[in-house]
Amino acid sequence: GQNIDQPTEMTATEGAIVQINCTYQTSGFNGLFWYQQHAGEAPTFLSYNVLDGLEEKGRFSSFLSRSKGYSYLLLKELQMKDSASYLCAVRGTSYGQNFVFGPGTRLSVLP
Amino acid sequence: DVKVTQSSRYLVKRTGEKVFLECVQDMDHENMFWYRQDPGLGLRLIYFSYDVKMKEKGDIPEGYSVSREKKERFSLILESASTNQTSMYLCASRGTGDTEAFFGQGTRLTVV
Repeated sequence: GQNIDQPTEMTATEGAIVQINCTYQTSGFNGLFWYQQHAGEAPTFLSYNVLDGLEEKGRFSSFLSRSKGYSYLLLKELQMKDSASYLCAVRGTSYGQNFVFGPGTRLSVLP
Repeated sequence: DVKVTQSSRYLVKRTGEKVFLECVQDMDHENMFWYRQDPGLGLRLIYFSYDVKMKEKGDIPEGYSVSREKKERFSLILESASTNQTSMYLCASRGTGDTEAFFGQGTRLTVV
């Protein structure tokens, strides 16, 4: 079966650092993705990991451990505009390489 | 910039109606996907297509069908809409050599 788990909600303060965890169990693995989705809008791509380790992109970093089925998204110097849902997704290996998404983590950044 | 366009942002339909949701992408992507998004459940795959006239069932295909007659267009069809199909529907596309998928802005469908 396929299962992706992440916390439902998190709250953090402007300027702080927050880590959003994601654990997964999937039948095929061809990369782990993080998307950001503001309320009422389309998900937009944030990061991609296919090998173990840390990928850094500005204020956002993403980590992957394939042996543990674990990833996290790290957001630094939080801004109010970072209030959004963060979606963890695993890309499969079958035709189309479709994505399996977790339930999403709603992050609220408070002043 | 890749553009994935869904024909409607909001739709209200009656139970039993046949509903068409249209999605068009402008980047010549081979792969297209239809998801529905519900609170607490995340995005769930309904159907996907990896080529013209090709389609594969996703995790929740019951009550839906799809059509891909042209590469740029992928349609989701609700044969007889029911209230449990009230949801946000998201279309996505991805090129075979690309990393990420690109999403449309979503269609919020309400079935009354």
